Amino acid sequence: SQTIHQWPATLVQPVGSPLSLECTVEGTSNPNLYWYRQAAGRGLQLLFYSVGIGQISSEVPQNLSASRPQDRQFILSSKKLLLSDSGFYLCAWSVSAGFEAFFGQGTRLTVV
Amino acid sequence: SQQGEEDPQALSIQEGENATMNCSYKTSINNLQWYRQNSGRGLVHLILIRSNEREKHSGRLRVTLDTSKKSSSLLITASRAADTASYFCATDSNSGGYQKVTFGTGTKLQVIP
Repeated sequence: SQTIHQWPATLVQPVGSPLSLECTVEGTSNPNLYWYRQAAGRGLQLLFYSVGIGQISSEVPQNLSASRPQDRQFILSSKKLLLSDSGFYLCAWSVSAGFEAFFGQGTRLTVV
Repeated sequence: SQQGEEDPQALSIQEGENATMNCSYKTSINNLQWYRQNSGRGLVHLILIRSNEREKHSGRLRVTLDTSKKSSSLLITASRAADTASYFCATDSNSGGYQKVTFGTGTKLQVIP
């Protein structure tokens, strides 16, 4: 069966420090991968999505970047965090767009 | 702006009552999905309805889709305290030759025992 792992669950980082959040998927090949951010009490904002290795699309200009070094690995990064980067980050995968998405448990990032 | 917009933003009902949440969207879709999120957790897929379907059932859930009005509704019948969560609709759209799923802002449902 397919599973998705996202870590860490919580993270407190100082302003200006780098960030690396990792997401891996098991049990499927060539999934669509997504990174979302959810501000407190709000909906999900799509940050990045990927349909294949090295293929990353960015939805909004921001301080973050994403990479997909392997088929089932999706990494969210920042060189220098801003206070406004705080939020709940969710990784998800789907067979393709238009099919149900499976979410990781999320990472709560607090930038201080 | 978000492709999907849910209303109401918050809903509080008594256990046993029905809960109805609505979602409106702007562009053509292939399908629409509803998800549930418990506080501080990831989202869980509830139901998918395709653009050529008008109604779909799954247990106590009933989803309708009106493509002419670009709207959908999620009905939870005989609500339980455990249904307390946020509910999101999601639509797929074409962007740069790819399809992607985008989410609305959600309805926060509270079921009071």
